[in-house]
Amino acid sequence: DAGVIQSPRHEVTEMGQEVTLRCKPISGHNSLFWYRQTMMRGLELLIYFNNNVPIDDSGMPEDRFSAKMPNASFSTLKIQPSEPRDSAVYFCASRPQGTSVSNEQFFGPGTRLTVL
Amino acid sequence: AQSVTQPDIHITVSEGASLELRCNYSYGATPYLFWYVQSPGQGLQLLLKYFSGDTLVQGIKGFEAEFKRSQSSFNLRKPSVHWSDAAEYFCAVGAGGYQKVTFGTGTKLQVIP
Repeated sequence: DAGVIQSPRHEVTEMGQEVTLRCKPISGHNSLFWYRQTMMRGLELLIYFNNNVPIDDSGMPEDRFSAKMPNASFSTLKIQPSEPRDSAVYFCASRPQGTSVSNEQFFGPGTRLTVL
Repeated sequence: AQSVTQPDIHITVSEGASLELRCNYSYGATPYLFWYVQSPGQGLQLLLKYFSGDTLVQGIKGFEAEFKRSQSSFNLRKPSVHWSDAAEYFCAVGAGGYQKVTFGTGTKLQVIP
């Protein structure tokens, strides 16, 4: 199994540009999570999908952020317009069948975003 | 809402020495507790987890953790640290209707020869 796949691994963009981060969860996993990691705020949950449906988006910082999961094998996190304070590492994680929190989350390698 | 506190931001230990990383949680019922490790430039990997039963749980890479309800703690231990254990360690608590997991701020472990 290839694990959770994220692309791109690194993204450098200018303020005001649109940024799209992509995630392919592990096949068969039906829960998907987007996290943001910064030195100041640590690891923050942005949004959580179960069976492609957004369950909890209370962590999405503002309307500039949006996430979609059009099917079980793909999700995107979009920032439009991007700002320098959005610079962070963004992680995607997936979790196996069932909504039980007892199931381990499997993390991708992350996308390091730098907004100039 | 649940929360988790890792009071030590940075810890340095000598190779071969024992290690204990502290974690305190806040949750009204029995929590689900996790320890994850993050190596530089990598995602998080699960070390161990606790849901019920034996309060001493064994994990990968020789780590163990003990759940102490009276102290609301779930400290991570290893009897002898190896240089490859240098990483950042995250404690997490899971609870709530949508089974959301909340992560602590992490403890960076430095291992010196």
